[in-house]
Amino acid sequence: KQEVTQIPAALSVPEGENLVLNCSFTDSAIYNLQWFRQDPGKGLTSLLLIQSSQREQTSGRLNASLDKSSGRSTLYIAASQPGDSATYLCAVPGAGSYQLTFGKGTKLSVIP
Amino acid sequence: EAQVTQNPRYLITVTGKKLTVTCSQNMNHEYMSWYRQDPGLGLRQIYYSMNVEVTDKGDVPEGYKVSRKEKRNFPLILESPSPNQTSLYFCASSLYSGLGTSGYNEQFFGPGTRLTVL
Repeated sequence: KQEVTQIPAALSVPEGENLVLNCSFTDSAIYNLQWFRQDPGKGLTSLLLIQSSQREQTSGRLNASLDKSSGRSTLYIAASQPGDSATYLCAVPGAGSYQLTFGKGTKLSVIP
Repeated sequence: EAQVTQNPRYLITVTGKKLTVTCSQNMNHEYMSWYRQDPGLGLRQIYYSMNVEVTDKGDVPEGYKVSRKEKRNFPLILESPSPNQTSLYFCASSLYSGLGTSGYNEQFFGPGTRLTVL
């Protein structure tokens, strides 16, 4: 069964700092990996989707990488802003499965 | 506007009183699913549907029912709610089920339904 781990569980950084969020998964036979953002009490907003054939995806100040062989993905946020404060989650479908497994997220606080 | 909608957004009910949470998407997506989110446990999948009349259990299906009679709707039914079903519920949809690299399977989430069972 797929297990997804996100470290750290919480992170606090000063505004302007570059940062990396980590996601690891146990079953490397995945087809894609998706990063989401969740604001308190709100739904999930899709940030980036990386297909297994890709190694990176970029959107603005966000860059996500995927290393299937090591079971890891990273989300890089450049020049962080207070508006980036939220919980970031990664999710992967299991191989041969229609189920989606989420990590528990990293709660990011960007201090002005 | 492309979106996933859920109703109601907030619901307080009592143990044993049947309820339905509706979910609808206007993107012609094949795949729809329900999740519950609890502190310390994260998001867990309840049920999912690959297409009309095709549904399957996720990780925590006990106490829930679903149906997929139309492509756009995927209601979540609690026949006899109990306090341990107090949670934040999310519906999601995607164009394909996610299997295979050719599948475009970005998940889109609804705004959530906060359910309290007394």
